Amino acid sequence: DAGVTQSPTHLIKTRGQQVTLRCSPKSGHDTVSWYQQALGQGPQFIFQYYEEEERQRGNFPDRFSGHQFPNYSSELNVNALLLGDSALYLCASSETGVVTNEKLFFGSGTQLSVL
Amino acid sequence: QKEVEQNSGPLSVPEGAIASLNCTYSDRGSQSFFWYRQYSGKSPELIMSIYSNGDKEDGRFTAQLNKASQYVSLLIRDSQPSDSATYLCAVYSYGNNRLAFGKGNQVVVIP
Repeated sequence: DAGVTQSPTHLIKTRGQQVTLRCSPKSGHDTVSWYQQALGQGPQFIFQYYEEEERQRGNFPDRFSGHQFPNYSSELNVNALLLGDSALYLCASSETGVVTNEKLFFGSGTQLSVL
Repeated sequence: QKEVEQNSGPLSVPEGAIASLNCTYSDRGSQSFFWYRQYSGKSPELIMSIYSNGDKEDGRFTAQLNKASQYVSLLIRDSQPSDSATYLCAVYSYGNNRLAFGKGNQVVVIP
């Protein structure tokens, strides 16, 4: 049973560029959440996708957008990259349900460096 | 006020000792509480979940929850060098419908 998979593992971009990160959830999971983790900080919630729609959003600008596909996989897009966007981007999946949907399983992350 | 606060600095404990980590949260309506372990350069790994007041034990780990004080803690007994990691406290509120994390506490177990 594959866990949460993310690609790519590392990425180097320059300021102003655009980036797309990808995530496939754990088998049986239908909800995908994206987090940004800066060095020395805890993960910060970006947004969550369920049924191909953005269900919740954290305090991130519109430069951050996403998408969920019918097979539950998801993409995170960041436009007009800033130096401060350099971070580990984590995808987490969960299954819908009152009791269990908050129990997240994380992928290995994408380390984004903006130069 | 931050949603989840972990204010302690790096914690150094001798091998075999007890490591104690604390976390406070601001949303009194929070209902689910988690501890994640994160090794350097790796993703967070769920190690404990707790939903009701009191203690919950799982192997060498014990989570403690006090909703009246909005406080959750993690004890690591018989600490091992492999326990050296950052421990993240996470809190879920059905009102917010998302998991909020503290900044983490680094634990270093000294052989």
